Amino acid sequence: GEDVEQSLFLSVREGDSSVINCTYTDSSSTYLYWYKQEPGAGLQLLTYIFSNMDMKQDQRLTVLLNKKDKHLSLRIADTQTGDSAIYFCAESIRSSASKIIFGSGTRLSIRP
Amino acid sequence: GAVVSQHPSWVICKSGTSVKIECRSLDFQATTMFWYRQFPKQSLMLMATSNEGSKATYEQGVEKDKFLINHASLTLSTLTVTSAHPEDSSFYICSAGDRGAHEQYFGPGTRLTVT
Repeated sequence: GEDVEQSLFLSVREGDSSVINCTYTDSSSTYLYWYKQEPGAGLQLLTYIFSNMDMKQDQRLTVLLNKKDKHLSLRIADTQTGDSAIYFCAESIRSSASKIIFGSGTRLSIRP
Repeated sequence: GAVVSQHPSWVICKSGTSVKIECRSLDFQATTMFWYRQFPKQSLMLMATSNEGSKATYEQGVEKDKFLINHASLTLSTLTVTSAHPEDSSFYICSAGDRGAHEQYFGPGTRLTVT
């Protein structure tokens, strides 16, 4: 079946790196995404990775994909207070055009 | 680019009434739009996939007669919650996919409160 799992909470000190982890079950996933949701707002696409890639870096964001273990991570370097939000891992399912399955979301809080 | 809007951003209605939520892609054509609902502190659950000019595809457990979806043009999809009840109170979010692209762009959401 299709399932995406994340830990619910992460707390980091301002300036440190944050690493948010995600596991998924569908080996036919085409794209894997990270979305950010601030309180009361919609979702903002942060980055995505194609399933045949191992790593993607975009400024402070680094995405690592271990396809063998079906493990995805998002690293945020130099975490700032503005990074406080819920981060959703998501996968697109090859068998359904553009259908996206979301994880439960990880709430990132920043300590001064 | 790739902006999706929703209207209204929030609505309060009485139990038994119907509420229509609009989702618009502002700068691209969306052959497919998706409707999600999100309960507090929970993830997004896909309700239905809306294809322009055809009937929507509903996920298992979603009542198609209660959640009416219309996708009459390449830039507009509507979700009507009919005979709303307090348990329908939720955050409803739409997303749209640009023709030929894999990314989905999300609207800001509509918070529905049924009293």
